[in-house]
Amino acid sequence: LAKTTQPISMDSYEGQEVNITCSHNNIATNDYITWYQQFPSQGPRFIIQGYKTKVTNEVASLFIPADRKSSTLSLPRVSLSDTAVYYCLVGAPEAGTALIFGKGTTLSVSS
Amino acid sequence: KAGVTQTPRYLIKTRGQQVTLSCSPISGHRSVSWYQQTPGQGLQFLFEYFSETQRNKGNFPGRFSGRQFSNSRSEMNVSTLELGDSALYLCASSYGPINEQFFGPGTRLTVL
Repeated sequence: LAKTTQPISMDSYEGQEVNITCSHNNIATNDYITWYQQFPSQGPRFIIQGYKTKVTNEVASLFIPADRKSSTLSLPRVSLSDTAVYYCLVGAPEAGTALIFGKGTTLSVSS
Repeated sequence: KAGVTQTPRYLIKTRGQQVTLSCSPISGHRSVSWYQQTPGQGLQFLFEYFSETQRNKGNFPGRFSGRQFSNSRSEMNVSTLELGDSALYLCASSYGPINEQFFGPGTRLTVL
């Protein structure tokens, strides 16, 4: 499984766009990139997943360059409720593959 | 559709005891995974079950075990509890791609 590196923490203000970059230099050909969000004392919640280029859903966008060695989670116009830990995971959606969570990025949004 | 449910939500045990945690996956999901989360080690994978078979196991001692029933419900057992087993135990279920998992609220285990 490819190891991921992401910033330990980030600070932002309400209404700003937040971009969290994750580095995964050893990503394999069949690996997907997945982001999860976790609030204190709750289980992680799936945000978005992609393989290449750009993926967008109702809560976030995921940008993946052509070499796929990094990815950027973009949260548009964050609010206080977006304060959470964000995890970047890399792995293949195969049977029995374990999700390996790193330390994640703690995003703090202030008013 | 109901989400993943875990029981109990909170549990206090003493060292040496054993504990069983239960997880009911989302209806139709056949894969169930278990994770341990502690402030020091973060989220760590315990094991994954699919159709009553353990497909993958993390790096935990044999005191941690699990099983899955024919209705996909899963249980996790920890024997001879140690203080270090105090953690939030999370269960997650998935239907297809293993990357897209739906987590339950967790069981907060405190070992005294």
